[in-house]
Amino acid sequence: GEDVEQSLFLSVREGDSSVINCTYTDSSSTYLYWYKQEPGAGLQLLTYIFSNMDMKQDQRLTVLLNKKDKHLSLRIADTQTGDSAIYFCAVTSLNNGGSQGNLIFGKGTKLSVKP
Amino acid sequence: EAGVTQFPSHSVIEKGQTVTLRCDPISGHDNLYWYRRVMGKEIKFLLHFVKESKQDESGMPNNRFLAERTGGTYSTLKVQPAELEDSGVYFCASSQLRGTGLAEQYFGPGTRLTVT
Repeated sequence: GEDVEQSLFLSVREGDSSVINCTYTDSSSTYLYWYKQEPGAGLQLLTYIFSNMDMKQDQRLTVLLNKKDKHLSLRIADTQTGDSAIYFCAVTSLNNGGSQGNLIFGKGTKLSVKP
Repeated sequence: EAGVTQFPSHSVIEKGQTVTLRCDPISGHDNLYWYRRVMGKEIKFLLHFVKESKQDESGMPNNRFLAERTGGTYSTLKVQPAELEDSGVYFCASSQLRGTGLAEQYFGPGTRLTVT
């Protein structure tokens, strides 16, 4: 089945850029996501990219997709202490009925931002 | 607009007891999903409703788990009888069936279940 891998920890200094990487195995994945989980909170949808796109930018967030290598990354510019959280990569595909299927998650990358 | 809500936020029960978790999706979202995260593991899919019908229940671990979505609105997930390995955080998510919001799956805050 589908497998999604991400490194478990990343530590950066405030003001630097953070890059969180993710690899997946199923080339038929249609949508690729980044979710953020702050301590004690649920999963917040940060951004997602459709498989026919290479890049998506949303304010400080840049998502890059390399379909050939099945590699997804999330870049956070000017990282702030408030960005400290666990970031989950997830992928899905449309099911036979054309609606969104279930998400396959990585284990999450814990981002620590030092002042 | 209210997000996905879950109740209770935390439940502590003894092995062998029954627990029912509830999820209220975002209004108008026909897709409803249950996931869970067992300590140290990935968030895993349990099942998917489209309106009141079970679209995919391939992730349900065993027959001690029963999910319902009568009327196609809120959903319940019952665990009976609970075992120690059922401890974890149970997430509910919802999304639109079609349209521009098709890709956006929104999660609730989760229910932390502890079985002692």
